[in-house]
Amino acid sequence: NAGVTQTPKFRVLKTGQSMTLLCAQDMNHEYMYWYRQDPGMGLRLIHYSVGEGTTAKGEVPDGYNVSRLKKQNFLLGLESAAPSQTSVYFCASSYSGVLKHGPYFGPGTRLTVT
Amino acid sequence: AQTVTQSQPEMSVQEAETVTLSCTYDTSESNYYLFWYKQPPSRQMILVIRQEAYKQQNATENRFSVNFQKAAKSFSLKISDSQLGDTAMYFCAFMIPYGGSQGNLIFGKGTKLSVKP
Repeated sequence: NAGVTQTPKFRVLKTGQSMTLLCAQDMNHEYMYWYRQDPGMGLRLIHYSVGEGTTAKGEVPDGYNVSRLKKQNFLLGLESAAPSQTSVYFCASSYSGVLKHGPYFGPGTRLTVT
Repeated sequence: AQTVTQSQPEMSVQEAETVTLSCTYDTSESNYYLFWYKQPPSRQMILVIRQEAYKQQNATENRFSVNFQKAAKSFSLKISDSQLGDTAMYFCAFMIPYGGSQGNLIFGKGTKLSVKP
């Protein structure tokens, strides 16, 4: 199993450009999450999904959109990138029946917006 | 709303010694899970140890153990026989396993631990 994978690993955008981050998991997990990590802030939840076709807002959703068209994929989109979105983005997934084990995290994507 | 506080931004310990990282949280829920994650320079988030709130016994995983004080809402991590590979950021996290936000982790801001030879 590959676990949770994220594409790309690094990206540099100019202000106003758009992009999509792809998260894929091969563990048949129902729940998937997108977090951002900023220095001194820990990880904060952007959006999450409890199943195919469903999404919900987390703590810091502004400026981002998500889609979960397939159970194994969770896409995070930035329509018009801003320097404040410079961050490391983590995707995670978990099985609804065993939440106590905690989610599995991807390796992260470092995004720089200039 | 639930919050997680890690009051030690940075700590250091000598190799082979013991260190304790602090974490407090605030919630009105009675059923929840607590976690400690390690993030080495590789950036990967690695689960170190977890605790179920309804279990009174403190969790242990090899050199890692927790001191879970439910009434005080405290969840500290003890690392025994510290090794150079323990150098990392450590995050305390909280989860409610039910309701609209089930499965979401709420993180503290982290403690940067340096193990010195």
